[in-house]
Amino acid sequence: NAGVTQTPKFRVLKTGQSMTLLCAQDMNHEYMYWYRQDPGMGLRLIHYSVGEGTTAKGEVPDGYNVSRLKKQNFLLGLESAAPSQTSVYFCASNLGWVTGELFFGEGSRLTVL
Amino acid sequence: GQQVMQIPQYQHVQEGEDFTTYCNSSTTLSNIQWYKQRPGGHPVFLIQLVKSGEVKKQKRLTFQFGEAKKNSSLHITATQTTDVGTYFCAGGDPGGGADGLTFGKGTHLIIQP
Repeated sequence: NAGVTQTPKFRVLKTGQSMTLLCAQDMNHEYMYWYRQDPGMGLRLIHYSVGEGTTAKGEVPDGYNVSRLKKQNFLLGLESAAPSQTSVYFCASNLGWVTGELFFGEGSRLTVL
Repeated sequence: GQQVMQIPQYQHVQEGEDFTTYCNSSTTLSNIQWYKQRPGGHPVFLIQLVKSGEVKKQKRLTFQFGEAKKNSSLHITATQTTDVGTYFCAGGDPGGGADGLTFGKGTHLIIQP
């Protein structure tokens, strides 16, 4: 049982390049989330999804887009990467926001030069 | 929006000493969750508290939820080197939806042998 899997785990981009982070979960969870973690800032919610075909903005959505075409996958896209987007990105999922624990992926470390 | 403050930001202890981290919200929370993140790792769920005044224990860890459901604490008795990491609280907004879980910035526990 893999849980939540993120790819890639590491990536270096140049300013202006685009990329997509993939999150896959095999727990049949309805809710999926993308967070970014920066030193001293904790975990900040970028976008989330409450089910297949739905997405919504979180606390820090600017510069990112997401898609949830399949229930098990949640994609995070950067159309034109900026150095301010250098961060560690975590995907998480759960059954629903009132129903308990978030299951996190192992993280994707992105550096934008 | 909801804010969850967590103190201290860093805590140095000698192995065997106790450790406490505190989480405070300006508004009433629906629930609170606690996570642990080992250095270089991802957040892992520890526990969820829902009821006013609730106290839960996990071996050397004691979690409390305040009577007013605005604050919470995590206490570790007789720390061990395996306790090293960052401890995050995450508070649920009673009026919020899937984005209603707000993370504190975390407390970094550093243990000196």
